Amino acid sequence: DQQVKQNSPSLSVQEGRISILNCDYTNSMFDYFLWYKKYPAEGPTFLISISSIKDKNEDGRFTVFLNKSAKHLSLHIVPSQPGDSAVYFCAARSETYKYIFGTGTRLKVLA
Amino acid sequence: DADVTQTPRNRITKTGKRIMLECSQTKGHDRMYWYRQDPGLGLRLIYYSFDVKDINKGEISDGYSVSRQAQAKFSLSLESAIPNQTALYFCATSEPDRAYEQFFGPGTRLTVL
Repeated sequence: DQQVKQNSPSLSVQEGRISILNCDYTNSMFDYFLWYKKYPAEGPTFLISISSIKDKNEDGRFTVFLNKSAKHLSLHIVPSQPGDSAVYFCAARSETYKYIFGTGTRLKVLA
Repeated sequence: DADVTQTPRNRITKTGKRIMLECSQTKGHDRMYWYRQDPGLGLRLIYYSFDVKDINKGEISDGYSVSRQAQAKFSLSLESAIPNQTALYFCATSEPDRAYEQFFGPGTRLTVL
């Protein structure tokens, strides 16, 4: 049973426009949420995080929004750049401090 | 030099063979993790270690064992490899007070025939 879901396997966006990646979760006890970016032949790299007590966290072009009532988080990238093309994983921290990852969304930013 | 290294980067083996994947880190982190990535399933936690004497099972530990030889080294073993263990394996590290920021190695692609 997938506790963290990324329902869009892929997304294409024009350079300069906004990319919105979505993630849904089922466990209301998750207390921390994160996004990782992964390029081919490399390990994932940490991008941004948000605590469950907040609803927004911003870091440069990247903003994560958390809607606890809907058990939904999203990553906004504005403006999107070709170098942002990668697979993005959302993850959530459980009450036992384990991290549960989603299945990933492949973002392609078109020049 | 990379902070988290994994050896080998690629390995092809046969069913029933014993395989060890090694992970080393120079970040000085206490926490280390092993994940596997399968198409359509994302990253799943196999084992994690909060320090040399603290090793814990993750979501999918059956068929795997680990050894934390030192703070910097964390090895994953497949005692008797089977084809459904074919996957991309990642090692990761983190600091206790920033555990959400995990630093991943480049991965080991394992194929079990």
